[in-house]
Amino acid sequence: EDKVVQSPLSLVVHEGDTVTLNCSYEVTNFRSLLWYKQEKKAPTFLFMLTSSGIEKKSGRLSSILDKKELFSILNITATQTGDSAIYLCAVGRNYGQNFVFGPGTRLSVLP
Amino acid sequence: EAGVAQSPRYKIIEKRQSVAFWCNPISGHATLYWYQQILGQGPKLLIQFQNNGVVDDSQLPKDRFSAERLKGVDSTLKIQPAKLEDSAVYLCASSGKGPRRAEAFFGQGTRLTVV
Repeated sequence: EDKVVQSPLSLVVHEGDTVTLNCSYEVTNFRSLLWYKQEKKAPTFLFMLTSSGIEKKSGRLSSILDKKELFSILNITATQTGDSAIYLCAVGRNYGQNFVFGPGTRLSVLP
Repeated sequence: EAGVAQSPRYKIIEKRQSVAFWCNPISGHATLYWYQQILGQGPKLLIQFQNNGVVDDSQLPKDRFSAERLKGVDSTLKIQPAKLEDSAVYLCASSGKGPRRAEAFFGQGTRLTVV
């Protein structure tokens, strides 16, 4: 059965800290790995990764994929209170072209 | 571009009642997904449509859940009868064609509470 695991499940930091969120997966017919930020209800898209070793960056956020070891990390530098959210990792599969989500990491950034 | 629209935003029903959710995907998106997200968990795929055909409904509890996308655009998800464990946020998402098909756009979701 396809599986996506995220760690830690919960994290509390102070503004200015740097955090690393982890996502590992066991998925047949891997096509892509996506990171989403979920603040209230709708997950909003952050990154899509398809190739190993190529870092994607957007401001203070960056992410990289290792297809050999089957994991990805999401880094957030100089965290702000507005970064408080649940960060979801999802893996896209070729079969049916749908997505398997991990449980999410709940990040709380304290002032 | 307009996003994925869902209604209602919130719904409270008693167990054994029925409920329906509506979703309008982004214009031109052929693929539509319904996900169930129970508090503290990641979204779980219930059903996936490609135009008006079902691609994957392997995790849909078919004894009580049904979904349709008759004209390949809007979709409805129904629960009949509802159980307490159906309390969750129901998220609709859509994705497009070509390279962008790997990215799903989500609606605001419907929070269902079954009492």
